[in-house]
Amino acid sequence: DGGITQSPKYLFRKEGQNVTLSCEQNLNHDAMYWYRQDPGQGLRLIYYSQIVNDFQKGDIAEGYSVSREKKESFPLTVTSAQKNPTAFYLCASSIDRGSNQPQHFGDGTRLSIL
Amino acid sequence: AQSVTQLDSHVSVSEGTPVLLRCNYSSSYSPSLFWYVQHPNKGLQLLLKYTSAATLVKGINGFEAEFKKSETSFHLTKPSAHMSDAAEYFCVVSWGGGYQKVTFGTGTKLQVIP
Repeated sequence: DGGITQSPKYLFRKEGQNVTLSCEQNLNHDAMYWYRQDPGQGLRLIYYSQIVNDFQKGDIAEGYSVSREKKESFPLTVTSAQKNPTAFYLCASSIDRGSNQPQHFGDGTRLSIL
Repeated sequence: AQSVTQLDSHVSVSEGTPVLLRCNYSSSYSPSLFWYVQHPNKGLQLLLKYTSAATLVKGINGFEAEFKKSETSFHLTKPSAHMSDAAEYFCVVSWGGGYQKVTFGTGTKLQVIP
């Protein structure tokens, strides 16, 4: 079955440490997204990518970085500059960035501070 | 500005009774509208979408939603709640033609009482 795989499911970060969250899709989708979910706030867009080797900042990109070297992969790095990284991170993809295209989501990575 | 408001943060129903989750949107453009469901520690799953075709949209698991332009609403309904429907539900508005902008509602937690 096609889908999106996020790993790890749980991740812990120490002070001053960068951590990388993995997102892989086998849906052959062009567009990929990273969201942060905090209780009561819905989902907020961190970064998105429309095509390989291209990505754009979303609404809350500070303290995060991404790469899109392959169509199926869109890893997110949470850097030490992100002072409040504890959250549930969701990766999504869509066929393209057309407004009528639904997004398909992975099962998320929960990041906590040690 | 585009926005989406989920009018209830929590809804509680008895098993076998109807479900109504309310969503109002604001958009200067012709929007696409979606409902997603999220079970604990999982990603979001698409329930249904409206993309300017029929105003009554049927989705998975017996859910449906009606697009009412005059009321700027897209409420989600189900005739009879099942225990497995207990989850969080997100209303999402998307617009922009070939350039997708997406706004998520803050979610409604549905509790189903046996």
